[in-house]
Amino acid sequence: GAGVSQTPSNKVTEKGKYVELRCDPISGHTALYWYRQSLGQGPEFLIYFQGTGAADDSGLPNDRFFAVRPEGSVSTLKIQRTERGDSAVYLCASSPGPYVNYGYTFGSGTRLTVV
Amino acid sequence: KNEVEQSPQNLTAQEGEFITINCSYSVGISALHWLQQHPGGGIVSLFMLSSGKKKHGRLIATINIQEKHSSLHITASHPRDSAVYICAVIIQGAQKLVFGQGTRLTINP
Repeated sequence: GAGVSQTPSNKVTEKGKYVELRCDPISGHTALYWYRQSLGQGPEFLIYFQGTGAADDSGLPNDRFFAVRPEGSVSTLKIQRTERGDSAVYLCASSPGPYVNYGYTFGSGTRLTVV
Repeated sequence: KNEVEQSPQNLTAQEGEFITINCSYSVGISALHWLQQHPGGGIVSLFMLSSGKKKHGRLIATINIQEKHSSLHITASHPRDSAVYICAVIIQGAQKLVFGQGTRLTINP
């Protein structure tokens, strides 16, 4: 597609429920990143995929968070047993390759609210 | 202490003023990004720097690697420049961005 697409744009869920957030990167971009942005803060790194594999998942806060990218394109961030502290904007970015001189394109984010 | 610090956190100015936003970092980096975020969350990459200076329209970004400092300047500011400006670095040897907390800029007509 023309840009990085994230769905849904907004998600309200009850505490304890399971949610899935989807990221559709720019076609051909091999690198995909998930970030989380809490209100008034800069984004924080969650996980980085190069192709199908998670090259760095050091930012996932705990084992309730999991992400997959089975075919090296679309990625899904999965959150189990959601907590109110999970409320944030979840941002996805993609890049043509793993090298620092490639730029990043961000999606518009999914605003998750846990009530 | 955050690895990336921005100042000021909030900045309000009148249309036409020259704007400077500062970014300091405490780690070795491969590159530094300046990003713009409008309400609603969309982030746009403005510049990626590894040395020197870049200019695009009314925006200028500079970086001093030795001093671990970067600045973003906006000349002839306009209300449409109102946004959050975020500095982010790529730490040497890593592929992820580490972000500053952002600077909220408001330009009044």
